Amino acid sequence: QAGLTQPPSVSKGLRQTATLTCTGNSNNVGNQGATWLQHHQGHPPKLLSYRNNNRPSGISERFSASRSGNTASLTITGLQPEDETDYYCSAWDSSLSGWVFGGGTKLTVL
Amino acid sequence: QVQLVESGGGVVQPGRSLGLSCGASGFMIRTYAMHWVRQAPGKGLEWVAGITYDGSNKYYVDSVKGRFTISRDNSKNTLNLQMNSLRVEDTAVYYCVRENAGFDIWGHGTMVTVSA
Repeated sequence: QAGLTQPPSVSKGLRQTATLTCTGNSNNVGNQGATWLQHHQGHPPKLLSYRNNNRPSGISERFSASRSGNTASLTITGLQPEDETDYYCSAWDSSLSGWVFGGGTKLTVL
Repeated sequence: QVQLVESGGGVVQPGRSLGLSCGASGFMIRTYAMHWVRQAPGKGLEWVAGITYDGSNKYYVDSVKGRFTISRDNSKNTLNLQMNSLRVEDTAVYYCVRENAGFDIWGHGTMVTVSA
């Protein structure tokens, strides 16, 4: 089952801005948009964004999402040490009738 | 407090069966689609199965079709996953997840190890 494509790793400096990408196709990201999750190992994943740029209650405004065509992006501003972890995108795929995930991006804050 | 708690994980031999359960508290699952998502050791997240709010539709990733069955009991506020013909590659932490536009509530997961 084809998944979404994320870069395996991204590195940025403290207080800088990181943009993580997630590429799919017209059946998933291009159609339904993407959701973004933050996952610290040993803890359940946390929803950061849904339907492209809606933040659940309690999620910092430093996290913002967008979409252009079949590619979704998560931008994290003012990077903090606690932002260093894994980030996943996901989307409903209408051709597969199922959800697909990206492989995840490990963000390193230097 | 809104939470999901999984149970039923353990060690099982290839080809055998195992059933997982997920109890919800702080909310009623009857108005939400629910899912199982897993993470194999050292790997990323993988969606496994989902079920609509009323149980009328069920969806599975190709690798578990015909082997896993998702079900729900809204009167008991629980979600289940029956796993048959288990394979070594099914080894993972299995998370119970609520869908509310996105996957907004996750349990802490239960470990399933398939090994001879």
